[in-house]
Amino acid sequence: NAGVTQTPKFRILKIGQSMTLQCTQDMNHNYMYWYRQDPGMGLKLIYYSVGAGITDKGEVPNGYNVSRSTTEDFPLRLELAAPSQTSVYFCASSYTQGLSYEQYFGPGTRLTVT
Amino acid sequence: DAKTTQPPSMDCAEGRAANLPCNHSTISGNEYVYWYRQIHSQGPQYIIHGLKNNETNEMASLIITEDRKSSTLILPHATLRDTAVYYCIVTRGNKIIFGKGTRLHILP
Repeated sequence: NAGVTQTPKFRILKIGQSMTLQCTQDMNHNYMYWYRQDPGMGLKLIYYSVGAGITDKGEVPNGYNVSRSTTEDFPLRLELAAPSQTSVYFCASSYTQGLSYEQYFGPGTRLTVT
Repeated sequence: DAKTTQPPSMDCAEGRAANLPCNHSTISGNEYVYWYRQIHSQGPQYIIHGLKNNETNEMASLIITEDRKSSTLILPHATLRDTAVYYCIVTRGNKIIFGKGTRLHILP
């Protein structure tokens, strides 16, 4: 299993541009998540999904959109990029055992908006 | 979800046991204690979790006090590769809130 894969690894955007960060998992997990991590800080939840067709907001959803058309894929869309969106973005997935969740993370996408 | 308190940094000699404390005095009955770590700038890695009983796996042991208000993650024989930020998280669901964690330095 490849686990959670993210593309691209690095990206530089100009202010106002748009892009989609890709995330794919091959573990048949029903839950998927997007986080951002600013320098020296912990991770903050942007959006999450409990299954195909179902998404919900996390702590910091403004400026982002998501969709979940398949179990495997959970793309994150940035519209009108701003310097405040410069960050490292991590995708994760998890399975459930009752109320127990273990999240598996991808390697991250490093985004710079200038 | 309950808030956690961790020391910002700790040192441990290579080969010794690393004991990382976490306070979670407002934990409720159905909340689990999770530990993750983040090595350099990689994605976080799940280590272990527990509800009431002590837990052990191939990576670490988790000791939860009887009142569940604090816990300790134990890395039994720390190596240089264990240098990382360790996050203690308390949650009852799939949404986890990361704090700043403890930066563990393993000293050669």
